[in-house]
Amino acid sequence: QSALTQPASVSGSPGQSITISCTGTSSDIGTYNLVSWYQQHPGKAPKLMIYEVYKRPSGVSNRFSGSKSGNTASLTISGLQAEDEAEYYCCSYGGTTTPHVIFGGGTKVTVL
Amino acid sequence: QLQLQESGPGLVKPSETLSLTCTVSGDSISSSSYYWGWIRQPPGKGLEWIGSIYYDGSTYYNPSLKSRVTISVEKSKNQCSLKQTSVTAADAAVYYCARSSGHYIPNFDSWGQGTLVTVSS
Repeated sequence: QSALTQPASVSGSPGQSITISCTGTSSDIGTYNLVSWYQQHPGKAPKLMIYEVYKRPSGVSNRFSGSKSGNTASLTISGLQAEDEAEYYCCSYGGTTTPHVIFGGGTKVTVL
Repeated sequence: QLQLQESGPGLVKPSETLSLTCTVSGDSISSSSYYWGWIRQPPGKGLEWIGSIYYDGSTYYNPSLKSRVTISVEKSKNQCSLKQTSVTAADAAVYYCARSSGHYIPNFDSWGQGTLVTVSS
């Protein structure tokens, strides 16, 4: 199973909106609504930001939203803030012949 | 408040077995609602799911690591453990334990701080 494909980096100015894409296949993102997104600051453990495509855990800002179209999931951060600068990873269930969990390669978000 | 704490040797020799433990506090590892997983992250690289376990001992592994990995649970100690055989330099990483709501459900909502494992003779 290959990793999900994410852009290496995305940047934006404070207050702007940015979107991070995560492309998989019909064996994972395209078929299952089991996509999650994690935020990771340097030296820290990942933090769950979005699960099951669009759901937000308690305590996560509503500036973070998730969506999916076909084989691609997206994370949008609106009203970009300095504290949003971090690495972001998507993650999905992958089914068909061999069930598994697969992560994307990560996207570095820079707040200009 | 749920806390997960990984522990184990920080240095493992090539070809030997890596053994780590995750101690859960603030919740019972026997909770029927959750699964307990291991995820690793090589320095400067992305995340990789290793596998997950349910309190009844049911295990679910990454197919690419399955032949070398064993995850177990010790309910009396509220711990789960990871053993990975025949380690190489490619296994050097920060190893995290995390809680999820399903064996292949990627909703890891609580994580340990991680423990760095170096592979060197």
